[in-house]
Formats: sequence, C-alpha cells, structure tokens
Amino acid sequence: EMQLVESGGGLVQPGGSLKLSCAASGFTFRASLIHWVRQASGKGLEWVGRIRDKPDNYATAYAASVKGRFTISRDDSKNMAYLQMNSLKTDDTAVYYCVRRLFNAFDIWGQGTMVTVSS
Amino acid sequence: QSALTQPRSVSGSPGQSVTISCSGTSSDIGAYNYASWYQQHPGKVPKLIIYDVNKRPSGVPARFSGSKSGNTASLTISGLQAEDEADYYCCTYGGSYILWVFGGGTKLTVL
Repeated sequence: EMQLVESGGGLVQPGGSLKLSCAASGFTFRASLIHWVRQASGKGLEWVGRIRDKPDNYATAYAASVKGRFTISRDDSKNMAYLQMNSLKTDDTAVYYCVRRLFNAFDIWGQGTMVTVSS
Repeated sequence: QSALTQPRSVSGSPGQSVTISCSGTSSDIGAYNYASWYQQHPGKVPKLIIYDVNKRPSGVPARFSGSKSGNTASLTISGLQAEDEADYYCCTYGGSYILWVFGGGTKLTVL
C-alpha cells in the first residue's frame, strides 16, 4: 500500500520552531515529487511548498505566505521528507499534509499532523 | 497568492446532476490543462477524483467528470448519491511564480 505518514505536530508559541516529518512507503520515494499542503480548521486547502527529486537537484519552492520561514528537505535513503517551520505565527495553525505529486495532481495524501501556534 | 474561485455551496437531489465551477485566470486555469479536483469528507483526508482537467484515477466512478472552458474548470457529478456529500476543491498549476493554487472549496449537499 502506498502511504505517507506525518509526525511532529504539536503546540508551539508564536515565534517558535517545529519540524514535521513525513515517512513514505509502498512506492519509489526517491523518484517522487513531495509537496506540503495545509488546512486551517474549517478552512480550505493551501499549498505550502514542494521539493523535487535528485535529477532536479532537490529544488524547493514555497508559497509567499511561508517563504523565508519554512524549509522543505528530504532524505531518500530513509524515504523521509521534512518541513522545518521557523518564526511561526498564529496564522500557521493548521493540519499539515504531506502529499505526493504524480504528473499534475496530488495522488497520495498523508493523514495529516496538527500544528497549533498559540501562547 | 490568490485562490481559485469556487461557489461556497451547491446542492442537488439524489439522481440529479450538479456542476461545480472553478474560476481562475489566463495564468493558471487558462494556461495549463492541469486542473484537478479533490473530494474531502468531514474529518477525512482529501481524495483525488479528477486530474488533467478530465481524467479519472482508477476507482473513481464515471459519475464524476471534469471539463474546462477558458479560465474556468468545472466538475460535474451525475446521478448524485448521498455519499457524494462532501467538500470539493479544485487545484491547478499557476506558473513558475504562483506554482500551485487551490480553490476555496465548495460544500455539496445532497438533499
């Protein structure tokens, strides 16, 4: 079964940092494009960023709302992707999904991990 | 980064058809045939139901279909069933600056 499993969510104070992890299984992770998508409670989906694969030099890109604060990385030897979140704001409170992009759509979604930014 | 525009809600009776629109611009929906649609039941993970405007992943019923005209993509659900009641999101590539953008979501109610 193709699967993505996020972990690392929790409660953090404004200005703090948190690192989310995403464990992949059941597919060729090293050849996959991995994105992060978030969803605030009762709100819609928001694209956060992505990391390409090795042939594309693991290039990253981010939404304007998180650029300069969030960093996506991956470790293909461990089938893992990561989302490092710094300078967190209350507006970053959301469920964060790790997602595989296949061609031009997001076909595998993790179960999500909740991040709460609050004092 | 502007979201694509979807109606907040739509409704239909069992057996009827409903169409959900997703309005973008000539830089996103209009520029690429990459529109995709996701179904999300309450408390559940989004599920891909349409990609590349009108293609269905394996296992998605043929009742779900997609189309595009100009800067607007549409999802049509024929023969509505109670289980179709969910939130629906469109998404597309917005170019090298915007990258990926979602619609605000549409709540489908089956009456």
